[in-house]
Amino acid sequence: EAQVTQNPRYLITVTGKKLTVTCSQNMNHEYMSWYRQDPGLGLRQIYYSMNVEVTDKGDVPEGYKVSRKEKRNFPLILESPSPNQTSLYFCASSVRAGRGYEQYFGPGTRLTVT
Amino acid sequence: RKEVEQDPGPFNVPEGATVAFNCTYSNSASQSFFWYRQDCRKEPKLLMSVYSSGNEDGRFTAQLNRASQYISLLIRDSKLSDSATYLCVVNKEGSYIPTFGRGTSLIVHP
Repeated sequence: EAQVTQNPRYLITVTGKKLTVTCSQNMNHEYMSWYRQDPGLGLRQIYYSMNVEVTDKGDVPEGYKVSRKEKRNFPLILESPSPNQTSLYFCASSVRAGRGYEQYFGPGTRLTVT
Repeated sequence: RKEVEQDPGPFNVPEGATVAFNCTYSNSASQSFFWYRQDCRKEPKLLMSVYSSGNEDGRFTAQLNRASQYISLLIRDSKLSDSATYLCVVNKEGSYIPTFGRGTSLIVHP
């Protein structure tokens, strides 16, 4: 079954404690990205990757890091989480469709930073 | 003006009704358009792409109006299961940073 998986699905942590959210896709897509979704603000892109070892900033990259060492995996790293990073995070894997990209989202990770 | 704007709703309609949402975009260089559906606390799922000629998938029809810079989604014969938030997504040509609208909430009641 084609899918995007994320782990953990729920996480409560404290300010400053480094964490990693994993993302994996089995569709052999080149493009992957991370989003956060906050009430009233909609989905905002954090980082994206067009291929292995190629990453770039999205709209809200501050406080986050990513890496793309393998095609299927795209972890999101919060080196020193802060309460304003409390959010719902989605990983997405994308395939080119016409002039744009169709995106397939993981189930989401709900992060609370206290 | 926001890049992509949607009426947040909620649109409250009875089963069987026809309902339409619009999504306006500000950047005339926008080249690709999509509608996604998001159920509460779940991930967005691709509903349909929006082509220049419009496209239809069962009860759903999407249209693009470049002159007025908006896309629309029409749902015919609404089902209870259509209740969700509908997100429009716009990409500029060559850009991999999509812009999401904040979504329109649809509630279909018996």
